[in-house]
Amino acid sequence: AAGVIQSPRHLIKEKRETATLKCYPIPRHDTVYWYQQGPGQDPQFLISFYEKMQSDKGSIPDRFSAQQFSDYHSELNMSSLELGDSALYFCASSPPPPDTQYFGPGTRLTVL
Amino acid sequence: EDQVTQSPEALRLQEGESSSLNCSYTVSGLRGLFWYRQDPGKGPEFLFTLYSAGEEKEKERLKATLTKKESFLHITAPKPEDSATYLCAVRDLNSGNTPLVFGKGTRLSVIA
Repeated sequence: AAGVIQSPRHLIKEKRETATLKCYPIPRHDTVYWYQQGPGQDPQFLISFYEKMQSDKGSIPDRFSAQQFSDYHSELNMSSLELGDSALYFCASSPPPPDTQYFGPGTRLTVL
Repeated sequence: EDQVTQSPEALRLQEGESSSLNCSYTVSGLRGLFWYRQDPGKGPEFLFTLYSAGEEKEKERLKATLTKKESFLHITAPKPEDSATYLCAVRDLNSGNTPLVFGKGTRLSVIA
């Protein structure tokens, strides 16, 4: 069965640089969620999109922005990166009506 | 505010030693309770969704149950490959496309 695809899987950036993370949801899933997970922490919700519109906003810094495109893939844009942004970033998708979320393998971002 | 508390934080079992993990939750109305398994550095893997008190679901050595205030994940005769962090999450009935609220997880180690 198709799963959520995330790219890149690993990313290393310097402080103050920018990064773009991509997420391709499971086919026919119309809702996408972004989560951040620090070491030893539970996933923290950042932002979600339903039918290409922002649906909910969590603890997403103003330096981050995201969007969902016409093909339902989503991108998380991160600017002015800080050391504390180093974490695993997960994308999840759910089918209509929004219910169980299926997670991707994650992008490990390291900020040096 | 929705809250999820998991216990114990960590559990060490001998192979074949059955046990249960607990997830207590507080929501205004439960739309769904979700169990995930997460291996280090990987995305949460969906296990079960429970919707109403009294509901039970099983998959191999795992069985999830739900009451009005908590859920249990029973592990029968565990094997070393069951070692992982088990995450519980809830979704509020009064939410739309809102994200999951996660507990901090239980780290399970099964020793051969």
